[in-house]
Amino acid sequence: GAGVSQSPRYKVAKRGQDVALRCDPISGHVSLFWYQQALGQGPEFLTYFQNEAQLDKSGLPSDRFFAERPEGSVSTLKIQRTQQEDSAVYLCASSAQSTGNQPQHFGDGTRLSIL
Amino acid sequence: GDSVTQMEGPVTLSEEAFLTINCTYTATGYPSLFWYVQYPGEGLQLLLKATKADDKGSNKGFEATYRKETTSFHLEKGSVQVSDSAVYFCALMAGSSNTGKLIFGQGTTLQVKP
Repeated sequence: GAGVSQSPRYKVAKRGQDVALRCDPISGHVSLFWYQQALGQGPEFLTYFQNEAQLDKSGLPSDRFFAERPEGSVSTLKIQRTQQEDSAVYLCASSAQSTGNQPQHFGDGTRLSIL
Repeated sequence: GDSVTQMEGPVTLSEEAFLTINCTYTATGYPSLFWYVQYPGEGLQLLLKATKADDKGSNKGFEATYRKETTSFHLEKGSVQVSDSAVYFCALMAGSSNTGKLIFGQGTTLQVKP
């Protein structure tokens, strides 16, 4: 596709359920990022992939959060045993190269609501 | 650690008014600086960037100058339009970063009235 695609656009889950959020980056993009954006705040970094390798997961808030990109393309962010504080918009971004000089292209995000 | 601080919004202006949105940062080394914009119902889009001190980024009539002495990257536009109504985010990428992760400010909402 022409841009970064995320699905679903909206997800409602009950506290304690597991959720999986999908990101399709721009074809051929090496770098992939996940960010979490709470209401009224700026995005906060969660994790970074270079191809299939997860090189930085310093922003993941707890061990309930897990991300993968097994074939270096599509990525999935999984949240286990969801809590109300996990409610946020989850943004995925990709960029063409592994250095920081290439712009990041963002998807429209998945809005997650935990009841 | 590295951080970005933006002026609080919302900022409400009349069409054709002059816009300034303040942004200051804290970082070690020589970060790259960015402004992203989020229009209603859309994803984040890169508006402009500057990679070294005294660089001026510009796009769509918006400008921002990388001021290392004041650690600032204020966004300006000479004459705003209703279509500029959006949320604006200032961000930095640490100079030492080998991943390219961005650190964002909290965002400033701009409302332009006709």
